Amino acid sequence: DAGVIQSPRHEVTEMGQEVTLRCKPISGHNSLFWYRQTMMRGLELLIYFNNNVPIDDSGMPEDRFSAKMPNASFSTLKIQPSEPRDSAVYFCASSGNMGTSGYNEQFFGPGTRLTVL
Amino acid sequence: GDSVTQMEGPVTLSEEAFLTINCTYTATGYPSLFWYVQYPGEGLQLLLKATKADDKGSNKGFEATYRKETTSFHLEKGSVQVSDSAVYFCALSLNYGGSQGNLIFGKGTKLSVKP
Repeated sequence: DAGVIQSPRHEVTEMGQEVTLRCKPISGHNSLFWYRQTMMRGLELLIYFNNNVPIDDSGMPEDRFSAKMPNASFSTLKIQPSEPRDSAVYFCASSGNMGTSGYNEQFFGPGTRLTVL
Repeated sequence: GDSVTQMEGPVTLSEEAFLTINCTYTATGYPSLFWYVQYPGEGLQLLLKATKADDKGSNKGFEATYRKETTSFHLEKGSVQVSDSAVYFCALSLNYGGSQGNLIFGKGTKLSVKP
């Protein structure tokens, strides 16, 4: 299994530009999570999907951020327009059904390091 | 609300020293508890877990016991190695009737092990 795949790994852009981050979850997983990690705020959950439906987007900082999951194997996080304070590492994670195990391990991608100048 | 509090770092130890990273939680239900580790330049990966009170999670020499009476899940290792240098995150997940619950993370503790 290739694990969770994120692209690009690094993105440098200028303030005001649109940024799109991409994620391919592990095949068969039905939940997908987007996180943001900064030194100041640590790891923050932005939004998560279950069966392609957004369940909780309360962590999305503002209207400049949007996320979609058009199918079970692909999700995007878009920032438009981007600002310097959006600079962070963005992680995507996926998990499968809890089933009888009693827990839902999340598998993380390698992250996208975003720098907005 | 539900939350996780872990000791602030950074923690610097010599190789073969004993490690403890404290973690306490606040939750209204009966959470599952996790320790995740993040090596430099990588995403988080699950280190160990415990799903009910008194369970002990263990992996790679690390251990943590789910203590409901003290709402704690402290991470321990008897003899750390340089390769253990990483950031460690304590987390909880509230499971609602079998549905997916998102993870609530602590702020992370950076561990540096010197040779």
